[in-house]
Amino acid sequence: DAEITQSPRHKITETGRQVTLACHQTWNHNNMFWYRQDLGHGLRLIHYSYGVQDTNKGEVSDGYSVSRSNTEDLPLTLESAASSQTSVYFCASSAWGNQPQHFGDGTRLSIL
Amino acid sequence: ELKVEQNPLFLSMQEGKNYTIYCNYSTTSDRLYWYRQDPGKSLESLFVLLSNGAVKQEGRLMASLDTKARLSTLHITAAVHDLSATYFCAVPGGNYGGSQGNLIFGKGTKLSVKP
Repeated sequence: DAEITQSPRHKITETGRQVTLACHQTWNHNNMFWYRQDLGHGLRLIHYSYGVQDTNKGEVSDGYSVSRSNTEDLPLTLESAASSQTSVYFCASSAWGNQPQHFGDGTRLSIL
Repeated sequence: ELKVEQNPLFLSMQEGKNYTIYCNYSTTSDRLYWYRQDPGKSLESLFVLLSNGAVKQEGRLMASLDTKARLSTLHITAAVHDLSATYFCAVPGGNYGGSQGNLIFGKGTKLSVKP
């Protein structure tokens, strides 16, 4: 069965370190997304991609970057982790058109 | 800027009762999505509403869309404990490529169904 997997599921790191969260989907979807989920804010869009070599900034992109070198993967990098980036991060993918997004299980990231 | 507002944000219900969750959005959209999230889990797609007047039902949940009023409702009939979860509505994302699948989410409604 097709799926979308995120790794690691949990991570603790220190401020100032670079952190990369992985997202891999086997749906063969063109569209991929990264969200962060915080209490009181719901899900907020960080970055998104419509295909290989395409990346775009979302609502809360400062301090984050992504790259899309193939269809399956969209890694999210925190260039210099800050405590304000402690959150749960979700990756999602979708086909074109009106299809709903499929979500990964999330990565809980704590920055001390 | 597109805003998606849900109310209530917290809802405590007794089993067997009916209730409605409301989702308002600020700019024109002909699509709306509902998701469910169990504690500590991922988001699961519940309904995709694609036109004005669309109604979808699954089990004790029924969702509808009024694009003229920019309003969607998620109605719960005869609630049971298994429906306890957080429910999110989402609308194609305006400035962030909404026509191509990006979504802006409401803050979620945390539903707790008590015996």
